[in-house]
Amino acid sequence: KQEVTQIPAALSVPEGENLVLNCSFTDSAIYNLQWFRQDPGKGLTSLLLIQSSQREQTSGRLNASLDKSSGRSTLYIAASQPGDSATYLCAMYGSARQLTFGSGTQLTVLP
Amino acid sequence: DGGITQSPKYLFRKEGQNVTLSCEQNLNHDAMYWYRQDPGQGLRLIYYSQIVNDFQKGDIAEGYSVSREKKESFPLTVTSAQKNPTAFYLCASSIRLTATNEKLFFGSGTQLSVL
Repeated sequence: KQEVTQIPAALSVPEGENLVLNCSFTDSAIYNLQWFRQDPGKGLTSLLLIQSSQREQTSGRLNASLDKSSGRSTLYIAASQPGDSATYLCAMYGSARQLTFGSGTQLTVLP
Repeated sequence: DGGITQSPKYLFRKEGQNVTLSCEQNLNHDAMYWYRQDPGQGLRLIYYSQIVNDFQKGDIAEGYSVSREKKESFPLTVTSAQKNPTAFYLCASSIRLTATNEKLFFGSGTQLSVL
């Protein structure tokens, strides 16, 4: 059974700091990995999708990387802002042909 | 606006009652999904449908039922058999990027609580 783990569960940083969120997964037969943002009481917004043939994707201040051999993905947020405060979830699409989600990292950016 | 609409935003269930959560999409996506989210946990798949008039059980289907009579609609019924229904329910639809890749789009969710 494929599993996705996100550590830490919560993270607080001062505004302006660069930060990295981590995601690890157990299924080596990964097709893609997606990063989502969730605001309190809201649905998920897709941030980045990395296909298995890619190593990274960038969107604005966000950069996501994928290392299949080590079973890890990272989401790098540059120059963090209070508006970045949210829960960030990663999800892998693997051999089960469905998304498996991590439990998320709750990020707080302090002004 | 194109998107996924879930209603109601908040729903309360009395013991022994069945309740139905609505999910409508106008993205023309074939596949639709229902997930359950408990506090501090990731999303768990309840049911999914790849095409009209067909649906499959996910990891936690017991106590739930669905229908897919129209492409745009995928309602979820939480039956009285679901003994712990309090959770945040998310509906999603997906677009297939390649044979082995799809991208999901989510509604804004329904918070279900037990009275």
